[in-house]
Amino acid sequence: DQQVKQNSPSLSVQEGRISILNCDYTNSMFDYFLWYKKYPAEGPTFLISISSIKDKNEDGRFTVFLNKSAKHLSLHIVPSQPGDSAVYFCAASALAGNNRKLIWGLGTSLAVNP
Amino acid sequence: SQTIHQWPATLVQPVGSPLSLECTVEGTSNPNLYWYRQAAGRGLQLLFYSVGIGQISSEVPQNLSASRPQDRQFILSSKKLLLSDSGFYLCAWSLNSGNTIYFGEGSWLTVV
Repeated sequence: DQQVKQNSPSLSVQEGRISILNCDYTNSMFDYFLWYKKYPAEGPTFLISISSIKDKNEDGRFTVFLNKSAKHLSLHIVPSQPGDSAVYFCAASALAGNNRKLIWGLGTSLAVNP
Repeated sequence: SQTIHQWPATLVQPVGSPLSLECTVEGTSNPNLYWYRQAAGRGLQLLFYSVGIGQISSEVPQNLSASRPQDRQFILSSKKLLLSDSGFYLCAWSLNSGNTIYFGEGSWLTVV
């Protein structure tokens, strides 16, 4: 059972427009959410995160929104640039005993067209 | 600042041969360490994690094993590789109390 779902495997956006990547989760125990960006044949790099006590976190062109009642988060990239073309992974974190468990979505491949 | 390095970057191995992927972290002490795999076209699958020397937790039953002989060294091994072991392997670390994990460059393994 996929606890973190990225329902769009791919997304195509024009340069300069907004990219919106979505992520849904099922476990209400998740209290921290992260977005990672991954280029082919490279390790994922951390982009931005949000704690469950917030509903928005912004870092430059990247903003993450969290809707806890809907168990939904989204990553907004404005304006989108060709270099943003990559696979974006959503991850959710919860305490499991003394450790934190990170559950990953399957990723959304973003293509930003010039 | 902290850095993570894993090697080799690319590996082509015959079925039945052994495997050793190594990962080291610098600039931090007592990190949590992780091995992930990304099979072609799929998401990230956690294979092993370690909260300290000699402490290894396995997430999925498989043909692989992990060891942590030193605080900042994490090794992924197999005695006999299978074709299905092919994939992109990622080492990662996090602070012991941290939420964010940081990945290495990845190692491409092709079993032929």
